[in-house]
Amino acid sequence: GAVVSQHPSWVICKSGTSVKIECRSLDFQATTMFWYRQFPKQSLMLMATSNEGSKATYEQGVEKDKFLINHASLTLSTLTVTSAHPEDSSFYICSARDNRGGAWNTEAFFGQGTRLTVV
Amino acid sequence: KNQVEQSPQSLIILEGKNCTLQCNYTVSPFSNLRWYKQDTGRGPVSLTIMTFSENTKSNGRYTATLDADTKQSSLHITASQLSDSASYICVVSARGSSASKIIFGSGTRLSIRP
Repeated sequence: GAVVSQHPSWVICKSGTSVKIECRSLDFQATTMFWYRQFPKQSLMLMATSNEGSKATYEQGVEKDKFLINHASLTLSTLTVTSAHPEDSSFYICSARDNRGGAWNTEAFFGQGTRLTVV
Repeated sequence: KNQVEQSPQSLIILEGKNCTLQCNYTVSPFSNLRWYKQDTGRGPVSLTIMTFSENTKSNGRYTATLDADTKQSSLHITASQLSDSASYICVVSARGSSASKIIFGSGTRLSIRP
């Protein structure tokens, strides 16, 4: 299957600093990328959807100024957690899909996830 | 309201035994249903994907069933192995162009004991 690489796999940062997480599709063009957050023992919650070259669409309750998403190329999307606070500590996962042609049933492949701990 | 409910929430079985995980959904209009395996601290990995017309699909020791009439799916694992210990997530997609129409279940945490 297709490979989605997420980096870093874990990060610890001080409260008030910003953290950037990268999501790369290694062997396909990801026209759409999704960012999820997962708290312990809970399901994945969609944060935002980004299409290459356009602004991300954020889910209700997700602050777009705090979670900056850039999807400047067909193989890379980044999530920047700005002014991180301890409550932002979570597991962040990206997924990518090639849905050229409008095929929304195509498989979305997940990255390995990033464990963010804000101290 | 689109929902995906999984049961049991957690399950412990002995190595070599079989088990069945359940997924009930109310997502409409239905497009497809996927089962994912998520190891602790890792991203989900797809096991099977089923569309409306499919009622059984196998992937090695994993067999998924789908009853579109009752809106139920199951994932059967045969001859369990220690490496099967993980969370199993049922994901249902509704037809449409919005990513928010992808509904995740809360998962079943499966532990295989030697």
